[in-house]
Formats: sequence, structure tokens, C-alpha cells
Amino acid sequence: SQTIHQWPATLVQPVGSPLSLECTVEGTSNPNLYWYRQAAGRGLQLLFYSVGIGQISSEVPQNLSASRPQDRQFILSSKKLLLSDSGFYLCAWSVQGSPLHFGNGTRLTVT
Amino acid sequence: GENVEQHPSTLSVQEGDSAVIKCTYSDSASNYFPWYKQELGKGPQLIIDIRSNVGEKKDQRIAVTLNKTAKHFSLHITETQPEDSAVYFCAASRLRGGTSYGKLTFGQGTILTVHP
Repeated sequence: SQTIHQWPATLVQPVGSPLSLECTVEGTSNPNLYWYRQAAGRGLQLLFYSVGIGQISSEVPQNLSASRPQDRQFILSSKKLLLSDSGFYLCAWSVQGSPLHFGNGTRLTVT
Repeated sequence: GENVEQHPSTLSVQEGDSAVIKCTYSDSASNYFPWYKQELGKGPQLIIDIRSNVGEKKDQRIAVTLNKTAKHFSLHITETQPEDSAVYFCAASRLRGGTSYGKLTFGQGTILTVHP
């Protein structure tokens, strides 16, 4: 069966510091991968998605970037964090014709 | 782009009662409507989904109805149990390619509390 791993679960970072969140998927090949952000008390917003290695599409302009160095690895990064980057970051995957499945997320607090 | 409105934002029921959460969407081309349940500290889990060629879908105590004309869809939970307490999200998408199932527009969420 397919599983998705996200780490770390929680992260506290100072303003201006870099960020790297990692996500890996097991049990499937060539998945579509997604990064969503969930702000406090609000719904989920799609940030990036990828259909293959090195292929990244951005949905909203922001201080973040994404990369996909391997088929089942998706990374969310920032060179300098802002206070507004705080939130709950969720990685997700889907394959052709199947619904979206989420990981358990990373709670990021920028101080 | 698509906009999804979800109501109510909070819902409190007694165990055994029914719960209904409603969502409206703006893009008449949307044709896929999943519902997710999110427990504290976890990622959302898909509980049921429906496509626009179907008006209603049931899975045990959970059902979803869709009114394409009015552009709204609803989640119905019958015989609620304390373990149903969670945040529920509706979402919408236009299926037109491999990424469509993942490019979802979400509602703002409903906090459901089931009291024993």
C-alpha cells in the first residue's frame, strides 16, 4: 500500500532563516505531488504541484519554492522566512484517476 | 477561478443525531467534489467523493448530495458518534487531466463536535 512521509512534524524558525521541508511517497511510481498550506482557521491552499522529476508548477506567488529531485521526493524551501510563512504545510499525492491523499503535515512557526 | 463557500463554520450535535454541512461553488465547470475529515494534528483524510454525473452517493453513515443547477453539495452524517468529531472540508475541481484530482479548491472547514 502507498504511504506518505513528511518531516519534521513541527518546526520553529526565526524570521530570515532558510527552510527545507521534505516529503516522500512509498508504494507508487510517478505520482503527482502537491504542497498545500493551511492557515489557522482557514481552508487549504494549493502552493505547488509536480507531475514529474524537475517539473514544478506554482499556483500562487510567494516566498517559497519547490523541487522534485527524485520521483517520489518533494521538497518545499525558502531562502528567508517571513512571519507570514507560518502555517501547517501538507504534502499530498495522487495518481491518474485516484483521489488526493495527504501526509500528516508540518506545523511551521516563524518567530 | 473557483470559489468554494462552506457552512456552518462550527456544528455541535448530540450523539445519535444527524449532521449536515453545506458547500456552494462558483465554477459551473467543476465536476468533482470530495469531502475530507481532519483530526487534530493530522492531515485530511478523504471520506467520500462525488462526480457531477451522480446526484447522490452513500457510504454507510455518510452521504453526499449534489445539486448542479444550484451549484451546491452537502455532506450528511447520520447516527453521529463522538469519533466523528473533527474538522470537515469540502472541495471542488474540474477534472481535465492527470493533476485534476489534486488541484482542489477547498472550503473553509466545519468544526463538528459530537457530544456523548
